[in-house]
Amino acid sequence: EAEVAQSPRYKITEKSQAVAFWCDPISGHATLYWYRQILGQGPELLVQFQDESVVDDSQLPKDRFSAERLKGVDSTLKIQPAELGDSAMYLCASSQRQGANEQYFGPGTRLTVT
Amino acid sequence: DAKTTQPTSMDCAEGRAANLPCNHSTISGNEYVYWYRQIHSQGPQYIIHGLKNNETNEMASLIITEDRKSSTLILPHATLRDTAVYYCIVRTYRDDKIIFGKGTRLHILP
Repeated sequence: EAEVAQSPRYKITEKSQAVAFWCDPISGHATLYWYRQILGQGPELLVQFQDESVVDDSQLPKDRFSAERLKGVDSTLKIQPAELGDSAMYLCASSQRQGANEQYFGPGTRLTVT
Repeated sequence: DAKTTQPTSMDCAEGRAANLPCNHSTISGNEYVYWYRQIHSQGPQYIIHGLKNNETNEMASLIITEDRKSSTLILPHATLRDTAVYYCIVRTYRDDKIIFGKGTRLHILP
């Protein structure tokens, strides 16, 4: 069964350093999402792509976070500089199209900022 | 903000039916009820969704009240692998954004 791939699974970084996460969605899925999940809470949408275009980045802290999906396939989420409050799980999800029934989530990247 | 209210946690004995309630009293006519679950250290997993009729699939059943203000997710024969956080979500079919609340932490007891 096709799955969303994410790497790394775990990342420890010092504050003020740069960090990047990678996501490879299910093949053929046009819509890709990045979520952030703080311990004990539900995931929160950071950014949504339709193919290579950003559809929604209203919750993305643009002073330090950036996301790209250059060829409309895999995607990278970057944080620079990282802050202590960025410690969280970063989840990637994909769906066949906008408004589709199901979003398929990857296993996530657990970020710890020290 | 999430449009749903769920209990913080629930326990269920292994082999019994787990019934997870969800209140969505402000649901609109074109909004669906979706359920996802998140097993520890994994990403959320879609379970089921419905509009107004009861729905069943290989994972669970969804019972929606006639006034659509509440629903219940039923796992008919809970196993230890069903231990997870279960999220009840309200969204329109065309609305991409999933707004997760804190969900219900379900513990299946051996």
